[in-house]
Amino acid sequence: DAMVIQNPRYQVTQFGKPVTLSCSQTLNHNVMYWYQQKSSQAPKLLFHYYDKDFNNEADTPDNFQSRRPNTSFCFLDIRSPGLGDAAMYLCATSGWTGSAFFGQGTRLTVV
Amino acid sequence: AQSVSQHNHHVILSEAASLELGCNYSYGGTVNLFWYVQYPGQHLQLLLKYFSGDPLVKGIKGFEAEFIKSKFSFNLRKPSVQWSDTAEYFCAVEEGQNFVFGPGTRLSVLP
Repeated sequence: DAMVIQNPRYQVTQFGKPVTLSCSQTLNHNVMYWYQQKSSQAPKLLFHYYDKDFNNEADTPDNFQSRRPNTSFCFLDIRSPGLGDAAMYLCATSGWTGSAFFGQGTRLTVV
Repeated sequence: AQSVSQHNHHVILSEAASLELGCNYSYGGTVNLFWYVQYPGQHLQLLLKYFSGDPLVKGIKGFEAEFIKSKFSFNLRKPSVQWSDTAEYFCAVEEGQNFVFGPGTRLSVLP
């Protein structure tokens, strides 16, 4: 049973056209994360929510925004995707156990 | 800020060989340590974790890791690898609510 679900699995968007990636969880975890993973690299944290508190990493470009309307859902908005934003985007959650659970990721292609 | 290093970028082994992947983090205090595995085309999965207690922790699929506080290390081991262990392995440290990942080690197991 999938616990962290990302949609879509594959997203193709045009250069400069806003795109939204979604993540939902059935774990009722209070922390949700968005990571960007480029080929053969470690996941890089973009931002995370602790409940409704938003925490942005200092080097996350302004082009990336996020919304968390409720505990279960979290969205990643890329306002004007560039070719360099093509990557796998990973959503993860963590709760009282401390371990992070990852979704399957959304692979974003920018054309 | 915490940083994580992994000793090898790519390790190639034959089946039944023993495996040890090195991981070091940059500074001490109370840390939670993890190893994640990413099989080709799949999402990150938790292999094992250390929070406290016995510094030798056992994970899934025959993997184990040893936490050595004095060396800031958390090396991953497996006595006998299989072809199905071919994957990317990431060491991670939990700092506050942030997971800091190492750059990953690609393991290729030859049949």
